[in-house]
Amino acid sequence: NAGVTQTPKFRVLKTGQSMTLLCAQDMNHEYMYWYRQDPGMGLRLIHYSVGEGTTAKGEVPDGYNVSRLKKQNFLLGLESAAPSQTSVYFCASSSQLAGKETQYFGPGTRLLVL
Amino acid sequence: AQKVTQAQTEISVVEKEDVTLDCVYETRDTTYYLFWYKQPPSGELVFLIRRNSFDEQNEISGRYSWNFQKSTSSFNFTITASQVVDSAVYFCALSEGYNQGGKLIFGQGTELSVKP
Repeated sequence: NAGVTQTPKFRVLKTGQSMTLLCAQDMNHEYMYWYRQDPGMGLRLIHYSVGEGTTAKGEVPDGYNVSRLKKQNFLLGLESAAPSQTSVYFCASSSQLAGKETQYFGPGTRLLVL
Repeated sequence: AQKVTQAQTEISVVEKEDVTLDCVYETRDTTYYLFWYKQPPSGELVFLIRRNSFDEQNEISGRYSWNFQKSTSSFNFTITASQVVDSAVYFCALSEGYNQGGKLIFGQGTELSVKP
C-alpha cells in the first residue's frame, strides 16, 4: 500500500516548455487535489476532482490543466511553463465517507522553471 | 470567506520546553473540519489531527495536545517537553466540508525550531 505517489520528484523546465505531473493513489479515494507550496504562503489549491471524469478549479488555477480519466490517477499539466510556476507541487487524496475525510499527501514534486 | 491565520511565523525553543502554536480561523459554515499537518525538513506533509466543528473536546496524543474553542475560533496545538525531532513547519488547515469538495485552506505555517 504505497498511499499517494507523485512522478517526477524533481524537474527543471525552460520557459515555454510543457510537462505533466502524475499523481497516483491506491486507497480507492474519490477525491483528489493538486496544491502548490510557495515560501511564506502555505499551500494553495490549484485544481481538484470529486470523482473520475470530473474536475474543478481551486484558488490558483491559471496556467494549469488537469485530467482524471481513472479514479486512481490525477494529472496536472503545464502547457507553457513560466518562472512564476516554480514551486513545490503536492497531490492529495481523501475519502468522501463520513469520518474518513482526511487528506493524505504525496511526497511532492519540486519544479524549477528557468 | 474562509481564512486561516497562523500569526507565529517562527518559534525557537530549547529542548524540553513546552510550546503552543496558535491557529485562528474564519468561516461562515456551521459544519467544518480543522486539521494540523507537520512538514519536517524532508518535505513531506504528515497528518496529525482532524477535528470537526461539533466536537469541542480537547485531544491529547502523547506529548501533543489540541485545544479547540469555537467561541474564539481557535484551534491551538501544544507540544509538551519539546524534542529536536519536533523541529518542522506546522500547518493548520480548514475544510469547508465535503459537499463542497473538501478543499483545504491552509494557514501560512509556523516554523518550529527546537534546539538541544
